[in-house]
Amino acid sequence: GENVEQHPSTLSVQEGDSAVIKCTYSDSASNYFPWYKQELGKRPQLIIDIRSNVGEKKDQRIAVTLNKTAKHFSLHITETQPEDSAVYFCAASIRTNAGKSTFGDGTTLTVKP
Amino acid sequence: EAGVAQSPRYKIIEKRQSVAFWCNPISGHATLYWYQQILGQGPKLLIQFQNNGVVDDSQLPKDRFSAERLKGVDSTLKIQPAKLEDSAVYLCASSPLDRALTDTQYFGPGTRLTVL
Repeated sequence: GENVEQHPSTLSVQEGDSAVIKCTYSDSASNYFPWYKQELGKRPQLIIDIRSNVGEKKDQRIAVTLNKTAKHFSLHITETQPEDSAVYFCAASIRTNAGKSTFGDGTTLTVKP
Repeated sequence: EAGVAQSPRYKIIEKRQSVAFWCNPISGHATLYWYQQILGQGPKLLIQFQNNGVVDDSQLPKDRFSAERLKGVDSTLKIQPAKLEDSAVYLCASSPLDRALTDTQYFGPGTRLTVL
């Protein structure tokens, strides 16, 4: 089955700096890669996703890159703000009629004001 | 649009007792997932339904866990008997099944289970 590894497990940055979280996956058939943000005590919420036919996707301060050959993808947050502090999860799935996602173990991001 | 609903939000039981969780997905969403999230870890898929059929239950401990999705809408997840290691947040998620094969999963608030 799919195995997703996520690094680092914790990340602390100063407000305004950039943050990068990296994930690797094992199943070359995976073709959909979402990122979720989970604030303390709340549900995971999708923040950005990328499909395997795209190498990069950007949404305001958030961007995701995908390297299919190396089987890794990364989340980039620029100009970080204290409200970006949360746990971020990556996931990998194979898009079929009902895609199954395998999640990484999460990265706790702390943005210090 | 109403979100995914789950109940109860919290449950405390003793080991060997039984417990059931309920999930109501977003209206019209064909796919429903149950995840177990242990503290400090990512969500782990327990079972996935498409309409009322099981797509994947390979990580469901079938000796003690069971789930059903009657009529392809609401779902219940049951643990009988519970063990200490079942203490976790149980998340329900749903996703639509449309022509674009949208994969976005919408999560419910979760049920925090504590087994003493």
